[in-house]
Amino acid sequence: ELKVEQNPLFLSMQEGKNYTIYCNYSTTSDRLYWYRQDPGKSLESLFVLLSNGAVKQEGRLMASLDTKARLSTLHITAAVHDLSATYFCAVDITYGQNFVFGPGTRLSVLP
Amino acid sequence: ETGVTQTPRHLVMGMTNKKSLKCEQHLGHNAMYWYKQSAKKPLELMFVYNFKEQTENNSVPSRFSPECPNSSHLFLHLHTLQPEDSALYLCASSQFGQGAETQYFGPGTRLLVL
Repeated sequence: ELKVEQNPLFLSMQEGKNYTIYCNYSTTSDRLYWYRQDPGKSLESLFVLLSNGAVKQEGRLMASLDTKARLSTLHITAAVHDLSATYFCAVDITYGQNFVFGPGTRLSVLP
Repeated sequence: ETGVTQTPRHLVMGMTNKKSLKCEQHLGHNAMYWYKQSAKKPLELMFVYNFKEQTENNSVPSRFSPECPNSSHLFLHLHTLQPEDSALYLCASSQFGQGAETQYFGPGTRLLVL
């Protein structure tokens, strides 16, 4: 059974600090997605990573994928309060037919 | 309407009721999905439809019955549910076959089973 783990599950950080969220998965896949969910709202796509070594950046967020290590990271640079949300990684295990989500990392950025 | 819409947004039902959740996507996508999001578990994929054909059913109990009459509409029919079925039900759509199946999610239906 495929397992997708995220670390940490809860993260409280101060504005201006840097941090990394980790996503580990237990089966072979070269397609990984990151989503954001604000409280009481639905999921919004952040990044699509489609190959080993893929790196994507948007604003203060940067995501990378190491398919050999079965690891993706979401790096936060100089956090701001607006980044407070829950972040999910999702592994695509059958090319658009089956996705397995991680448990989510709840991020709180404090002033 | 734009994106993915879901109705109703909230639903309370008894264990003997029958109800349906509706999802509509306005993105021209060819794949639609039902997910269950509960407090104690990660987001769970329930059903996948590509080109109106069901391609995945992740061991979902038969009290949940999906229907996809066309590529823009997706229903989830509910009957004799259990209290543990209370959750947020999310619909999503994507363009299958484009190389990157980014999913676009609706706002969800929050279901409470009494």
